[in-house]
Amino acid sequence: TQLLEQSPQFLSIQEGENLTVYCNSSSVFSSLQWYRQEPGEGPVLLVTVVTGGEVKKLKRLTFQFGDARKDSSLHITAAQPGDTGLYLCAAPSYNTDKLIFGTGTRLQVFP
Amino acid sequence: SAVISQKPSRDICQRGTSLTIQCQVDSQVTMMFWYRQQPGQSLTLIATANQGSEATYESGFVIDKFPISRPNLTFSTLTVSNMSPEDSSIYLCSVSGTSAYNEQFFGPGTRLTVL
Repeated sequence: TQLLEQSPQFLSIQEGENLTVYCNSSSVFSSLQWYRQEPGEGPVLLVTVVTGGEVKKLKRLTFQFGDARKDSSLHITAAQPGDTGLYLCAAPSYNTDKLIFGTGTRLQVFP
Repeated sequence: SAVISQKPSRDICQRGTSLTIQCQVDSQVTMMFWYRQQPGQSLTLIATANQGSEATYESGFVIDKFPISRPNLTFSTLTVSNMSPEDSSIYLCSVSGTSAYNEQFFGPGTRLTVL
């Protein structure tokens, strides 16, 4: 069974702090996606990483795919209240059109 | 990316009744997905809906409880039947993008409360 475990489960920080969210699995994935979901909305795709060791930056967000393509991290620099939300990693399920979603990380950034 | 709308956005229903949730996409898509989400938690896939064929349900979900229609390439409905308070949740539809990575685009969700 392919599982994606995220840590931490909850994160509550002050504006301006840095943070890292982890997404881990024992399975190898062909690619991995990160989504952010704000209250009352559906998840929105932030990025897709494809190559082992790949690093992608989206403004203050840095995404990395592990060398073995089993894990990924999301680092946020100088967090802002607008970063508040549920962060989900996801990966294609082997040989299907479905996605496996991670367990989720709830981030709260206080002014 | 596709633009997806859902109706209703929220509803409060009585135990034993049924609610049909609509999902409309602004472009033709092959795959549509229905998820359930407890507030603040991750997504659980209910079923995959392809146009012209029966929906494929995940373990723990059955057609009698969650009948799905997919009459064309831009529309789908999910019915939550004979509701109980345990069905209180957020229901989301999504569609696959056109990339090779199975990226999905989501509707805003339907927040259901069953009393």
